[in-house]
Amino acid sequence: AQKVTQAQTEISVVEKEDVTLDCVYETRDTTYYLFWYKQPPSGELVFLIRRNSFDEQNEISGRYSWNFQKSTSSFNFTITASQVVDSAVYFCALSERSYNTDKLIFGTGTRLQVFP
Amino acid sequence: GAVVSQHPSRVICKSGTSVKIECRSLDFQATTMFWYRQFPKQSLMLMATSNEGSKATYEQGVEKDKFLINHASLTLSTLTVTSAHPEDSSFYICSALGPGQDNSPLHFGNGTRLTVT
Repeated sequence: AQKVTQAQTEISVVEKEDVTLDCVYETRDTTYYLFWYKQPPSGELVFLIRRNSFDEQNEISGRYSWNFQKSTSSFNFTITASQVVDSAVYFCALSERSYNTDKLIFGTGTRLQVFP
Repeated sequence: GAVVSQHPSRVICKSGTSVKIECRSLDFQATTMFWYRQFPKQSLMLMATSNEGSKATYEQGVEKDKFLINHASLTLSTLTVTSAHPEDSSFYICSALGPGQDNSPLHFGNGTRLTVT
């Protein structure tokens, strides 16, 4: 069965600290996509990254970086030099192909609080 | 970029009434739309998938007669919560996928917070 596990329910850091959010997934598919979304208190989902299963290159975008390791079925997200505006709930998600379309299986989310 | 608009953003209704939530794709044709529900401090759970012009496919445990989904055009899908009860209070959010966007990031609406009193 498809499953996404975010073991950290809540993380608190002080501004400028680095923080890593963990994501472990399970799937029988050989082709799949992994996503990270940010959900600020206002509720909308902000897309951060999509990674396909054949691309294990790590990615960096500004203060954000992602480490994809198929060997451990993990897709971890690191925020460098965290800021108060990074406070939000972060969801990791896995695409599940169904009837030739794709739906997302979300993890339970990690609530990140960055204190000044 | 592509935008999905959801309306209303907040709604409060009395128990027993019905509420309609709209999800529109603004600059692309959404062949598939997804409806998710999120209870407070919980994850998003897929309720149903709708393809334009056909009946929605509901996830296990979701009552199709209670959550009516209509995807009558390529830019609009509606979710109607019929005879709403307090336990239906939740955050409902839609996402949309267009042709050629297979596996692309699903564009999400801003969500609708439903409170049933």
